Amino acid sequence: ETGVTQTPRHLVMGMTNKKSLKCEQHLGHNAMYWYKQSAKKPLELMFVYNFKEQTENNSVPSRFSPECPNSSHLFLHLHTLQPEDSALYLCASSQAGSDGGTEAFFGQGTRLTVV
Amino acid sequence: DAKTTQPPSMDCAEGRAANLPCNHSTISGNEYVYWYRQIHSQGPQYIIHGLKNNETNEMASLIITEDRKSSTLILPHATLRDTAVYYCIVRVAGTASKLTFGTGTRLQVTL
Repeated sequence: ETGVTQTPRHLVMGMTNKKSLKCEQHLGHNAMYWYKQSAKKPLELMFVYNFKEQTENNSVPSRFSPECPNSSHLFLHLHTLQPEDSALYLCASSQAGSDGGTEAFFGQGTRLTVV
Repeated sequence: DAKTTQPPSMDCAEGRAANLPCNHSTISGNEYVYWYRQIHSQGPQYIIHGLKNNETNEMASLIITEDRKSSTLILPHATLRDTAVYYCIVRVAGTASKLTFGTGTRLQVTL
């Protein structure tokens, strides 16, 4: 248990569906992240939120829409995905600070399959 | 952030020390060295980090060379549960710094 909880753990969705991934952290951190890990590829940073404000979007297609209503919750809204979007989606949180901050804590991920 | 270079794979016998190297020759003075590991299909797990001094915790030791251009993660008594991909990451100090993962080192611990 890392203090970062992701739901659901597994998701199968059709290309015309709309679904959302949820992440909740109980660590009091001020920064949250979405990462994507496709098969046999390194983790790719998707979005960064700092104090609920999006500070980074790594050229992620608009069919992925993040939402951060408060510093403890992070969502990833999915719509009209493609089969190549099938991957492990990981959420992380950290306490950002000028001294390097704390390490990032990751959730267990959501295994997404687009059919 | 500085780039890191790690061997793609390593083997280690159970009970022996596992020494995982990392090169970060372009590291800057305000960049920390972080180590994470990822057991198959799970989220990455933080192991240890350091700036320039050697560090030790309950999981591992981190040895950073004096010129900070390379480091070694040491698992003193590897077990089968330490089989994972180990990532060495150099991270700039500051607000909401992102982690840039490479391909890491796949450590296989064997009987």
